[in-house]
Amino acid sequence: ETGVTQSPTHLIKTRGQQVTLRCSSQSGHNTVSWYQQALGQGPQFIFQYYREEENGRGNFPPRFSGLQFPNYSSELNVNALELDDSALYLCASSLTPRLIGAFFGQGTRLTVV
Amino acid sequence: EDQVTQSPEALRLQEGESSSLNCSYTVSGLRGLFWYRQDPGKGPEFLFTLYSAGEEKEKERLKATLTKKESFLHITAPKPEDSATYLCAVQAEGLSWRVGRRALTFGSGTRLQVQP
Repeated sequence: ETGVTQSPTHLIKTRGQQVTLRCSSQSGHNTVSWYQQALGQGPQFIFQYYREEENGRGNFPPRFSGLQFPNYSSELNVNALELDDSALYLCASSLTPRLIGAFFGQGTRLTVV
Repeated sequence: EDQVTQSPEALRLQEGESSSLNCSYTVSGLRGLFWYRQDPGKGPEFLFTLYSAGEEKEKERLKATLTKKESFLHITAPKPEDSATYLCAVQAEGLSWRVGRRALTFGSGTRLQVQP
């Protein structure tokens, strides 16, 4: 049990729609990172938020956006969904941007049809 | 650019048959190398962090070691419940504060199946 919870666990959306995925971090963890994991691949870094501001982004287009709230919750928003967006989306929380890696949520499985 | 390569892609062992998984990495200054276990459809479960060459860590039947270019995850006398995908990831030091370098870079994993 990592103390990081994600919702929903599964989601099916239609191409072109928008989706919001949610993550609740451990209390006191002011850093949250989001990853996309395609089937059979390792997770890929989408972006990180630290103290409610974006603190780094991987190679993902602007239609992937996020928010972090003072209550240690965060959101990943994806606009104009494409079939290739089908993946397991993971969030990970940590005390600081340097101390990362130990606390992943169980993920949200997104299927785009 | 940080790179992580894991081998083999898949490994099938008999219960009790010890083996090792390999993680080769390229990173401009290593802050930490991470090992995870991942069950199908679940998030990665943290196993170990290694910080410097020569470091070793153990947990039950698992032992992780680190050199300057690779890490090994040794599995001693595995049981069927050890069946999972094992992921390796690196975090860069120093330059990590630049945009896009604060994250973990993962390999594609080794799918381990242990048969009774």
